[in-house]
Amino acid sequence: DQQVKQNSPSLSVQEGRISILNCDYTNSMFDYFLWYKKYPAEGPTFLISISSIKDKNEDGRFTVFLNKSAKHLSLHIVPSQPGDSAVYFCAASAGRAGNMLTFGGGTRLMVKP
Amino acid sequence: NAGVMQNPRHLVRRRGQEARLRCSPMKGHSHVYWYRQLPEEGLKFMVYLQKENIIDESGMPKERFSAEFPKEGPSILRIQQVVRGDSAAYFCASSLTLGNTEAFFGQGTRLTVV
Repeated sequence: DQQVKQNSPSLSVQEGRISILNCDYTNSMFDYFLWYKKYPAEGPTFLISISSIKDKNEDGRFTVFLNKSAKHLSLHIVPSQPGDSAVYFCAASAGRAGNMLTFGGGTRLMVKP
Repeated sequence: NAGVMQNPRHLVRRRGQEARLRCSPMKGHSHVYWYRQLPEEGLKFMVYLQKENIIDESGMPKERFSAEFPKEGPSILRIQQVVRGDSAAYFCASSLTLGNTEAFFGQGTRLTVV
């Protein structure tokens, strides 16, 4: 039972354009959501997070949107750069679970020069 | 990432041997989490520890797997009598508090069972 799903295994975007990565969840108890970026043979690196009391959080080129009614969140990267090419994981936690995170399967982003 | 240290980076074990994976959290962090990533999948939570205590092990297989985080020294994930299905990347993360704060991940240990 996948509680966090990333339905697009891969995404290809031209440099300078917007990248939109999507994530859906089923557990209504999730109240904190994170995006991690991962390069091959390295650990995940935290990108941005959002609490369920918000619907948007922005940090530089990265913006996360949360639609609680649809149980959907998305990560926007604008403008996309070749160095953004990596696997992006959506993760969620519930209440006091803190960093006991439930991860999606990941989306491989390729930004072409 | 550099703050959470995992070793070894790569570990090869024959079926039936024991695997010991080590994780030193970031300085000042007392919360440690272990995750496993099977090929082409996302990370799966295994266990959450604080110093000398297992807080939640709901993601740990019931047999052969154990974890500890002693008062002194790194956290250890131990897999006894390894099987081929244990081949995966094992990641450790640490955080300063339990609440909604960023968890920092190590570079992982890639276990290969031959």
